[in-house]
Parts: sequence; structure tokens; C-alpha cells
Amino acid sequence: GESVGLHLPTLSVQEGDNSIINCAYSNSASDYFIWYKQESGKGPQFIIDIRSNMDKRQGQRVTVLLNKTVKHLSLQIAATQPGDSAVYFCAENISGGGAQKLVFGQGTRLTINP
Amino acid sequence: EAQVTQNPRYLITVTGKKLTVTCSQNMNHEYMSWYRQDPGLGLRQIYYSMNVEVTDKGDVPEGYKVSRKEKRNFPLILESPSPNQTSLYFCASSFSPNTEAFFGQGTRLTVV
Repeated sequence: GESVGLHLPTLSVQEGDNSIINCAYSNSASDYFIWYKQESGKGPQFIIDIRSNMDKRQGQRVTVLLNKTVKHLSLQIAATQPGDSAVYFCAENISGGGAQKLVFGQGTRLTINP
Repeated sequence: EAQVTQNPRYLITVTGKKLTVTCSQNMNHEYMSWYRQDPGLGLRQIYYSMNVEVTDKGDVPEGYKVSRKEKRNFPLILESPSPNQTSLYFCASSFSPNTEAFFGQGTRLTVV
């Protein structure tokens, strides 16, 4: 079935440390994945995406890894800052017949400790 | 500034009183969607639209209607709201079905 899940609902890290957020997906036909950040009172904000023909993609302080063999995604945030505190969602983009649907995981709340 | 704008941000209404939540995007995107976000259930798609006058049901369409008369607007209509439609609603748009979706700021709806 279509489901995207996260291994940990909460994660606390010290400011300046690196953080890793994990995500599992179930639809092996999915070919596009997106990480979103949601701060309190705001809508999901795009962070980084990756397509299934890649296994790694880097942005500014963020890296997404994709392991299609085990259907696993991870988001790595380097040198975390207080502004990184938020809920992070992985989303599986399902497109077919011209339609688009994002299947979201439950989210991981990341807390940055000073 | 490229954005998706929803209105209102907060709404409290009574059971059965029809309401509309508006959504507008200024990015000339063809694809638009509505999601609801509930604790423990994450974000679930209600309806989507691939272009003007083309809409279809998502995973949880019951109790909702949408329309797409213009490319930029995609209103969500609750003809007869019920308490189980109390939720946080997000509108999203994207350029194509395989590009990132941009989300609005959300509408927190309470039906009493």
C-alpha cells in the first residue's frame, strides 16, 4: 500500500551538531521524494528533493540520501541552528494519469538544544 | 513574491453552515491540491486539480467540493460542515506532477 513512515517521532540535538532524520516508504514504484519543514503555525516548506535515479543530493547544510533497495530516505542537517527546530516530513510524490499526490509520513519533531 | 495564499487563516463555524476557504497562487501553476492535517494522521489529500475545469478526488473527499474556474484559484467548499471536519487545511500548487509542491500558510477550521 501507499504509506510513508518515520522511524522516530522526536529528535533532540545540540546546537552545532549534525542531525539525521529517517524515513521509510512502501511504494517501490515511487520515483520522486521531497523533504518538507513545518514550523509552528506555518505551512510545509520545501527543503530538498531527490529523484529515484539518484542516491544522494546536497543542498545548503542539508543532504538527502535515498536507498531504493530498502526503500529508505534520510535527511541530514549539518551544523544545526535554533532555526532548524521544526517538524520534518518526508513525502512520496505519486504521479500518474497526470495527477499528483503527496503521501506524507507522520513527521519528526526536531528540537535544537542550546 | 511567489506564494500560495489561503483565506481565512482561522475560522470557527457551526455545524451545517456552508463555508468556502479560498486559495490563490501567483506562480501560474497548473496543479493545485487541498490537504488536511490531523494529529496522528499526517497530511492527507482531499481533492486535486490538474488544470482549469479538471478536478478529481483525493484520499478523503467526503464532505468537500472544489472548483477550478481560473488557473490561479482553487476554493474548497464545505456545503454542510460537521465537527469531524475540524482540522488544519492546506492548499498547495505545483508546476507539474513531478515537481515540488508549494504550500499555503494553512486554515485552521473548527466546526462546533
